[in-house]
Parts: sequence; structure tokens; C-alpha cells
Amino acid sequence: NAGVMQNPRHLVRRRGQEARLRCSPMKGHSHVYWYRQLPEEGLKFMVYLQKENIIDESGMPKERFSAEFPKEGPSILRIQQVVRGDSAAYFCASSPIKGPSNQPQHFGDGTRLSIL
Amino acid sequence: GENVEQHPSTLSVQEGDSAVIKCTYSDSASNYFPWYKQELGKRPQLIIDIRSNVGEKKDQRIAVTLNKTAKHFSLHITETQPEDSAVYFCAASSGNTGKLIFGQGTTLQVKP
Repeated sequence: NAGVMQNPRHLVRRRGQEARLRCSPMKGHSHVYWYRQLPEEGLKFMVYLQKENIIDESGMPKERFSAEFPKEGPSILRIQQVVRGDSAAYFCASSPIKGPSNQPQHFGDGTRLSIL
Repeated sequence: GENVEQHPSTLSVQEGDSAVIKCTYSDSASNYFPWYKQELGKRPQLIIDIRSNVGEKKDQRIAVTLNKTAKHFSLHITETQPEDSAVYFCAASSGNTGKLIFGQGTTLQVKP
């Protein structure tokens, strides 16, 4: 019974490059959330997706960031033209199919993004 | 906007003592309140949660209380052990999407 799978665990990019972070939800879960955690801070909501739909992207920066959850395959968080301030841990969480508003969210191990 | 305030930011207790962490939230529509434990370099782990139709929930040494009128909720850990040392986050659901608004975290240190 695999949990939420994220890869890579660690990602190093130079300024201006692109970063792609992947997340496969738990089996039976169709809701995916992405959160960002800056060093020694709390988690900040970024985006909520269901298969082929972005439901809430109110936490996403207006530029350079995008997310998708295709019909087949993992959810992808994409950061274009990365800057030093993008260095953070990016966590993905998933929740069950029924009624997301009060269902437990289970987190993956995160991707630690470092920008040189 | 939506906001969750968490206190204290750090808490140090002796092994065997109790620890209490408090949170307040701003969105009166919030109906789900989870607590997560995060060890250094690890993922947040759900340790207990409470829904708005319940005032208190207990699981062994951990309990959570919710006061919807005052919009605050608390985590209580009894008989603390060194393994309880970690950062604890409260959160409140927001809107129909279930996105979580997190508090700033409490670093709990349990001294042996």
C-alpha cells in the first residue's frame, strides 16, 4: 500500500533552468495538493488539482510556476527560469475521492529544490 | 484573508510533563482541523484531526479540542517522551477545496 510518491527527493538547478517535480498520489486518491515550505517556515498552499483539472491555484506565483495532473501519469509542478528564492521543500499531498473539504491529506517525502 | 495563528513558536518540557499548543483560525467556514508532526528533513505526518461537529478527540497520549465559537483549537500531549520532540503544525481547511492553511509551527523539545 504505497503512500504518496514524490521524485526526485533532491533537485539542484542553476538560476534560469527549469525544475520539474513529480507526484503520484496514494492509490484510490484523486485529489492532489502542492505545498511549499521555505527553510524553517510553515507550509504554504500552492495549488489543488484533480485529474485533468486545476481546481484552485490561488497560492501559485503568477509567473514561472505551473502545475498539471494528466489523465495518465503523475502530477507535475513545473518552475521555469528558477531563481534563488525558489529554493525550498515542495510537498505533495493527496486525499480520497469523497468530499475533499474534510478528508485527511497524506504527504509525500517532498522534493528539496536547491538553486545555485 | 485566511489565516492560522499558532503559539508558542517553541516549547521545552521535561519528559513526562504535558505539552499544549494552541491555534486560532480566521475562516469561519473551516470544518476540518488536522495536526501534523514533522521531524527534521522528513515529511509532515498526520497525528490527529478533528472535524467541526466534534468538540474533543483523543488518541492515546494525544488529544485535540475545538471551540468553534472562539475559532480556536488546541493539541494536548500528555506524558511526553523524547521521541515527541519535533515541529508540530496545526492547520485549518479552507473553502470547498479542502486546501489547508497551516500555522507557523511549534518546535517541541522534550528533555530526558
